[in-house]
Amino acid sequence: DADVTQTPRNRITKTGKRIMLECSQTKGHDRMYWYRQDPGLGLRLIYYSFDVKDINKGEISDGYSVSRQAQAKFSLSLESAIPNQTALYFCATSAPTGTHNNEQFFGPGTRLTVL
Amino acid sequence: DQQVKQNSPSLSVQEGRISILNCDYTNSMFDYFLWYKKYPAEGPTFLISISSIKDKNEDGRFTVFLNKSAKHLSLHIVPSQPGDSAVYFCAASRDDKIIFGKGTRLHILP
Repeated sequence: DADVTQTPRNRITKTGKRIMLECSQTKGHDRMYWYRQDPGLGLRLIYYSFDVKDINKGEISDGYSVSRQAQAKFSLSLESAIPNQTALYFCATSAPTGTHNNEQFFGPGTRLTVL
Repeated sequence: DQQVKQNSPSLSVQEGRISILNCDYTNSMFDYFLWYKKYPAEGPTFLISISSIKDKNEDGRFTVFLNKSAKHLSLHIVPSQPGDSAVYFCAASRDDKIIFGKGTRLHILP
């Protein structure tokens, strides 16, 4: 079974629609992250959370919001989707600093297309 | 301003030869450097890392070299195998956040 799961895996939506991407993990990690990947731009951090009561903006948070419903769940919302939010979205988790070389573990990704 | 740079978008290497992927960074406060490998339709997976206090780390066919004075690291894969064809992301870590480079697509030629 996958340690980090994302739903849906693919989604096509229309401009102006609200959409939620969900992430669940069974690794027992406190830290969770949302990234987007665009061709030629690598992975860019949208939001991150170090525990259930902690939410922090990343490099490109505008147009997005997140909710950390539990240690194992971290969802990303697009309140009003726009075409330039078409991208591949990844959720990741990590253990606290000093363990595991700061390695992050990624989900399989959600391909989102906004028409 | 990019803090982690991978200046080669793609690289082609003959099977059995050495693949060398390069990465430059600007922030001397990074404490770990990591390489991730990504296949199509999958999330990135961790490959190898190096602490900022070391200059080399080896794991099987993969070796990462760190040159702090030049703010440069490289990943060596030897010998290169067909399954190594993927996108490789260089990343640098500080304060529990990771900053990724744009990636280098490695093609292993038969």
